[in-house]
Amino acid sequence: NAGVTQTPKFQVLKTGQSMTLQCAQDMNHNSMYWYRQDPGMGLRLIYYSASEGTTDKGEVPNGYNVSRLNKREFSLRLESAAPSQTSVYFCASRELAVQETQYFGPGTRLLVL
Amino acid sequence: TQLLEQSPQFLSIQEGENLTVYCNSSSVFSSLQWYRQEPGEGPVLLVTVVTGGEVKKLKRLTFQFGDARKDSSLHITAAQPGDTGLYLCAGRNSGGSNYKLTFGKGTLLTVNP
Repeated sequence: NAGVTQTPKFQVLKTGQSMTLQCAQDMNHNSMYWYRQDPGMGLRLIYYSASEGTTDKGEVPNGYNVSRLNKREFSLRLESAAPSQTSVYFCASRELAVQETQYFGPGTRLLVL
Repeated sequence: TQLLEQSPQFLSIQEGENLTVYCNSSSVFSSLQWYRQEPGEGPVLLVTVVTGGEVKKLKRLTFQFGDARKDSSLHITAAQPGDTGLYLCAGRNSGGSNYKLTFGKGTLLTVNP
């Protein structure tokens, strides 16, 4: 049981390049999330998927797209990377309940030059 | 947008000291969670509080949810170097989307041996 896994762990991009961040969970959770974490800004929600087949914008969706490929996988795509997208990206999953736990992956560290 | 203000932003103490960190909002939350994040890793859930006035203890950590469900505190007794990390509070919107958490910016705690 690996929990939430993310690939890659580190990535350096040039401005204008594209890439996809991959996330997978093996806990059979319905909901999955993408956050970015910047110094002094905390965790900000980019996109989320309440269940397979649905996606919704979070607090900071501009410049990103997502795909809920199946129940396990939720990918985040940067079509044309910008230096402002330099950040640490976390994927998370949870199952809806009264006192549910949100499980986070180890993060992807992205540097856009 | 519901905001969670955490204070202090930074805290550096000596091993054995006690400390309290705070999480405040003008909004009501249906539940509030505390996470700890260590360098290079994703946040890990410590506790969820749901009922106004609720107090939960986890070894040397005591969590309290305010009576009005707008604020919370985390008290650590006899801090140890292993308590070092970023402490994040996160609230679930009362009356809003059940899928999204609002995160505070965190308190970075350093416990010196």
